[in-house]
Amino acid sequence: QVQLQESGPGLVKPSQTLSLTCSVSGGSISGGAYFWTWIRQQPGKGLEWIGSISYSGRTHYNPSLTSRIIVSRDTSKNHYSLSLSSVTAADTAVYYCARGVEIPIASVPNWFDPWGQGSLVTVSS
Amino acid sequence: QSALTQPASVSGSPGQSITISCTGSSSDIGSYNLVSWYQQHPGKAPKVMIYEVSERPSGVSDRFSGSKSGNTASLTISGLQAEDEADYYCCSYGGSSTYVAFGGGTKLTVL
Repeated sequence: QVQLQESGPGLVKPSQTLSLTCSVSGGSISGGAYFWTWIRQQPGKGLEWIGSISYSGRTHYNPSLTSRIIVSRDTSKNHYSLSLSSVTAADTAVYYCARGVEIPIASVPNWFDPWGQGSLVTVSS
Repeated sequence: QSALTQPASVSGSPGQSITISCTGSSSDIGSYNLVSWYQQHPGKAPKVMIYEVSERPSGVSDRFSGSKSGNTASLTISGLQAEDEADYYCCSYGGSSTYVAFGGGTKLTVL
């Protein structure tokens, strides 16, 4: 049974870089047709896809965030990471990592299961 | 502003059925059978209830069903139970530029 767990600082200063890691257990991030994904939820708001990295290392990013995002992976540690630069208060959110199932026709993530428990990151000075 | 439009809230009494709609466009829902639905209880991570429009993951009650017509997908919950009270989000493949689109979410209240 695959399980995901987010980790990282809960407080980041404006203009700095937010960094989170998702540790995966029960399965390899370089196996299977999956996209290892970051999704966030601002307080009281809906879900927003941030970006994904595939089993082969291919990345896809939300067009509205692409200039500030890097999603990377460390297969030796079986974890993947999110780096979001130049953060503002609008980036305050619960950040979830989730496994995305690949759409064969397009090699992008489709539906997401399982999810991590979420990590609240607050941007404030 | 979400790419997919959901009603902000719906409600129903125990035992009744409710339907939540999710309206997109010919670029997403209308072109692909790649709609998923998620249930989120307060303070918890979302849980997939439906994928590929109408498929149910193992362990999800058959009271939950999905369908699609044109640019609109729907989630139907039959035999409403108190535990169904939660927020529900739709999600669709958004095409080669958007990739993943979520709806704004619908709060289901069980009266």
